[in-house]
Amino acid sequence: AQSVTQLGSHVSVSEGALVLLRCNYSSSVPPYLFWYVQYPNQGLQLLLKYTSAATLVKGINGFEAEFKKSETSFHLTKPSAHMSDAAEYFCAVSLKTSYDKVIFGPGTSLSVIP
Amino acid sequence: DTGVSQDPRHKITKRGQNVTFRCDPISEHNRLYWYRQTLGQGPEFLTYFQNEAQLEKSRLLSDRFSAERPKGSFSTLEIQRTEQGDSAMYLCASSLASKGYQVGYEQYFGPGTRLTVT
Repeated sequence: AQSVTQLGSHVSVSEGALVLLRCNYSSSVPPYLFWYVQYPNQGLQLLLKYTSAATLVKGINGFEAEFKKSETSFHLTKPSAHMSDAAEYFCAVSLKTSYDKVIFGPGTSLSVIP
Repeated sequence: DTGVSQDPRHKITKRGQNVTFRCDPISEHNRLYWYRQTLGQGPEFLTYFQNEAQLEKSRLLSDRFSAERPKGSFSTLEIQRTEQGDSAMYLCASSLASKGYQVGYEQYFGPGTRLTVT
């Protein structure tokens, strides 16, 4: 069965510093991978997705993620954190043989310190 | 495109009462999903509709839960005899999948309905 782990339930960075949110997945078949962001009391918004094209995926708001099959990882990065990046971030996996059923990780809360 | 809407946004109910939530997907989307999110956790899949057909239900969806999408447009999620453990955010999402293709489509999420059972 597929699953997602996110290392660090809470990450704090200074404004302007590198953001690195870690995600590892477990899947018996090549998956599709996603990063979603959730602001307080709101639904989830897709940041980016990997669907077996380029391994380096660029998303909205300056975020990007790299798919590394050998490490079963899909870490999210942003070169320079902004105060508005403070939110909850979820990594998710979907099987190519499924109907878009998405399995979410537990989430990482990002705080940005001015 | 007005996005996915959910109603109500917040619901407080007493244990044992029935509650019903509504989700209006993006109008042309043929797939609709319900998720449950508890505090500090990621969303958990509950059920999925392709048009009006409910094609899968999670084991999380006990027999107190029922979902419908009668005309392939809006959907309702009903919880009967609510328990305190049902307190959570209930999220709805929709996507558009072309015939012959099954996966890889972005799910658009609504703002959620926060249920509190007292």
